[in-house]
Amino acid sequence: GESVGLHLPTLSVQEGDNSIINCAYSNSASDYFIWYKQESGKGPQFIIDIRSNMDKRQGQRVTVLLNKTVKHLSLQIAATQPGDSAVYFCAEDSLVTSGSRLTFGEGTQLTVNP
Amino acid sequence: NAGVMQNPRHLVRRRGQEARLRCSPMKGHSHVYWYRQLPEEGLKFMVYLQKENIIDESGMPKERFSAEFPKEGPSILRIQQVVRGDSAAYFCASSPMQAPNEKLFFGSGTQLSVL
Repeated sequence: GESVGLHLPTLSVQEGDNSIINCAYSNSASDYFIWYKQESGKGPQFIIDIRSNMDKRQGQRVTVLLNKTVKHLSLQIAATQPGDSAVYFCAEDSLVTSGSRLTFGEGTQLTVNP
Repeated sequence: NAGVMQNPRHLVRRRGQEARLRCSPMKGHSHVYWYRQLPEEGLKFMVYLQKENIIDESGMPKERFSAEFPKEGPSILRIQQVVRGDSAAYFCASSPMQAPNEKLFFGSGTQLSVL
């Protein structure tokens, strides 16, 4: 079936480096994408979203890139900090349907080394 | 403004018992969603409710699972005759009523353990 998946299950970076977390999706009907951060024992926390009519969106220290041609999504975190250590999920949805029924990927564990 | 509140945080049940998970959405939010997360996996959509209505339950198992969101009080996810495979983290999310595909705000989840 169609799903959202991630290339790498784990990513380890040094504090201060930039992090790039990748995500592949296969549902061509998806037109809304979100990145969530999940810390241990907590619920997912919204980071940034992007609609399919855009290919880049920037937030505070984070940038999401969308390549619809190859169905690829990435999250870039600038100057990664220890507090960024968490599992990062991409999720997709369709703006056509009423309400949100997110399809989540399996997550990437980001570890930031001091 | 309190966030999405879920209780209990941890719930232990023996096989065959019932589990009741509660979710109070953020103030002003009338859309509630339930998701299930197995260890080291992403969240899986279960059910979408508005006040007194089930909008979409396509992700919920046909048997033993039910959900409600009454006019007053929290949303309840009920699992009857629990089995070990029901052990998971169950997350509730809410969104405001103004438009579809609004940003979801998640609670901290209920960790269900079935012995």
